[in-house]
Amino acid sequence: QVTLRESGPALVTPTQTLTLTCTFSEFSLNSRGMCVSWIRQPPGRALEWLALIDWEDDKYYMTSLRTRLTISKDTSKNQVVLTMTNMDPVDTATYYCARTLSGYSGYYMDVWGKGTTVTVSS
Amino acid sequence: QSVVTQPPSASGTPGQRVTISCSGSSSNVGSNFVNWYQQLPGTAPKLLIYGNNQRPSGVPDRISGSKSGTSASLAISGLQSEDEATYYCATWDDSLNGHWVFGGGTKLTVL
Repeated sequence: QVTLRESGPALVTPTQTLTLTCTFSEFSLNSRGMCVSWIRQPPGRALEWLALIDWEDDKYYMTSLRTRLTISKDTSKNQVVLTMTNMDPVDTATYYCARTLSGYSGYYMDVWGKGTTVTVSS
Repeated sequence: QSVVTQPPSASGTPGQRVTISCSGSSSNVGSNFVNWYQQLPGTAPKLLIYGNNQRPSGVPDRISGSKSGTSASLAISGLQSEDEATYYCATWDDSLNGHWVFGGGTKLTVL
């Protein structure tokens, strides 16, 4: 059974750098077609995709946050790490990671973690 | 403001059929597959439809998806109280080096 779990600080202060880790099981990011995405959801608002990394280590980012985001993978640990610099209170949200498949039916996020809530406040 | 537009709300009575639309452009809905997600309050989203009209294992066949041009739709027939949730469409956008886009979400109320 594929699972993903997000971990990271629940509270960060403004201007700090946020580091989130997605630890997954039962699939390999070395396998063709496998990707992991990060998505966030501010309280009461819509889902917002942040970044994706694929099995070839190609990386894609939300355009408006591109300069603040870095996504990386450690296949030996089955982990994907997202860093976001210069955090602001508007970045307060629940952050999800999701396995993303790439194939004949395009990309789709088929299994999601439960999410981790991050509050940005001084 | 998302580049992919959904109505903010929809409603229906038990047993009815409801549809939720997702409108985009040639760089996203018009040229890529559309996925649909269901989010119950306080929980992570769940994949309902991928590849415009494919259902993952476990999703009932009263739920269906379609796409025509730059618009896509999610249809739920035989509406049940447990269908009350927020529904999001999502697709890849080919512009600006490529990125995902989610619709703004549609809150479905079962009256």
